[in-house]
Amino acid sequence: DTAVSQTPKYLVTQMGNDKSIKCEQNLGHDTMYWYKQDSKKFLKIMFSYNNKELIINETVPNRFSPKSPDKAHLNLHINSLELGDSAVYFCASSQLSEAFFGQGTRLTVV
Amino acid sequence: KQEVTQIPAALSVPEGENLVLNCSFTDSAIYNLQWFRQDPGKGLTSLLLIQSSQREQTSGRLNASLDKSSGRSTLYIAASQPGDSATYLCAVEDTGRRALTFGSGTRLQVQP
Repeated sequence: DTAVSQTPKYLVTQMGNDKSIKCEQNLGHDTMYWYKQDSKKFLKIMFSYNNKELIINETVPNRFSPKSPDKAHLNLHINSLELGDSAVYFCASSQLSEAFFGQGTRLTVV
Repeated sequence: KQEVTQIPAALSVPEGENLVLNCSFTDSAIYNLQWFRQDPGKGLTSLLLIQSSQREQTSGRLNASLDKSSGRSTLYIAASQPGDSATYLCAVEDTGRRALTFGSGTRLQVQP
């Protein structure tokens, strides 16, 4: 049973398109996150949600819109994709301590 | 603003050697510190979590220490094996901020 699962694993799309990445956790955690890993492998927080409420938005362009329909899900919708959005996006969850990460979604914008 | 630095950036050792990976952070007001492993093209696997009130944690051949006042943590790997080859990431969660700040990682290669 995968604790944090995200789909799709790979996403190749053209500039200007809109795409979504889905994330689900079955750990019962209150807090979920989206992180971005750039081409230099550096990981940086994008968004943090606690009990479906946004608590951190790390100066991410408003083309990125997270949505949390319930505590177990945090989806990431990206409008008008740009070349610079190409990266690996990781979903994670935690409950006041250890964070668990999904396997990542490699987004390639062409 | 919290900054996390990991030294060295890359390390290559022969199998069986004991090794130490270093992590330093600029703001000592942390809630916890976590060490992860990332294999190429894969996600992050949590190795050890140290709460701010703790000094160290151990799991098998891994031992992580935390000196909060000096802003340092070390990950000690005993009797390294080729299967330990991966990138090791250090991350801190600041008190009152529900997010991790990551270092840039140490890429470890253990040669058979």
